[in-house]
Amino acid sequence: GESVGLHLPTLSVQEGDNSIINCAYSNSASDYFIWYKQESGKGPQFIIDIRSNMDKRQGQRVTVLLNKTVKHLSLQIAATQPGDSAVYFCAENHNDMRFGAGTRLTVKP
Amino acid sequence: EPEVTQTPSHQVTQMGQEVILRCVPISNHLYFYWYRQILGQKVEFLVSFYNNEISEKSEIFDDQFSVERPDGSNFTLKIRSTKLEDSAMYFCASSAGWEAFFGQGTRLTVV
Repeated sequence: GESVGLHLPTLSVQEGDNSIINCAYSNSASDYFIWYKQESGKGPQFIIDIRSNMDKRQGQRVTVLLNKTVKHLSLQIAATQPGDSAVYFCAENHNDMRFGAGTRLTVKP
Repeated sequence: EPEVTQTPSHQVTQMGQEVILRCVPISNHLYFYWYRQILGQKVEFLVSFYNNEISEKSEIFDDQFSVERPDGSNFTLKIRSTKLEDSAMYFCASSAGWEAFFGQGTRLTVV
């Protein structure tokens, strides 16, 4: 039958490799950005955030890079693990929070 | 750890009926949100609520929808005269100002 809905971009990586997930945002006035992880059947879970006065922020195994010139955000996951398999959404916040389309990350053991 | 809770986890309703989705935000948060996610699609913003009134709403949030904070703890989304295309996961979120915390969602199925 006909499929409906978006086909999410997918990224497949080997366990232990680094992952880079990209996101383009739309509003140049957005001043706060968040990466969320969504596992099947669950709500979005906060990973890391960055304010517009920064271009890089690091967490435990994750790094977010912000390029305001081209309105681009990326999430880097170091030493990707099977538990990292999920859909990752970026979100931009100006007056409210809007989500990007999401990328499905699959980690192969 | 404080969390946003949503009830019910799954709601099945007949087309044309009204449903109320309930959320208990994190207690010291001031900003509240409803989002919708149709199966396989991205999370879509519906409405934000602050200081007992709607602060922002999307084009999806038409007269069919309403939100209410009936007491100091609950935040509800009412959908009047449900349509088949209202079938989705509905997520509530709350924030103290920046990072938003999400509930586990209510799966609404309109039949």
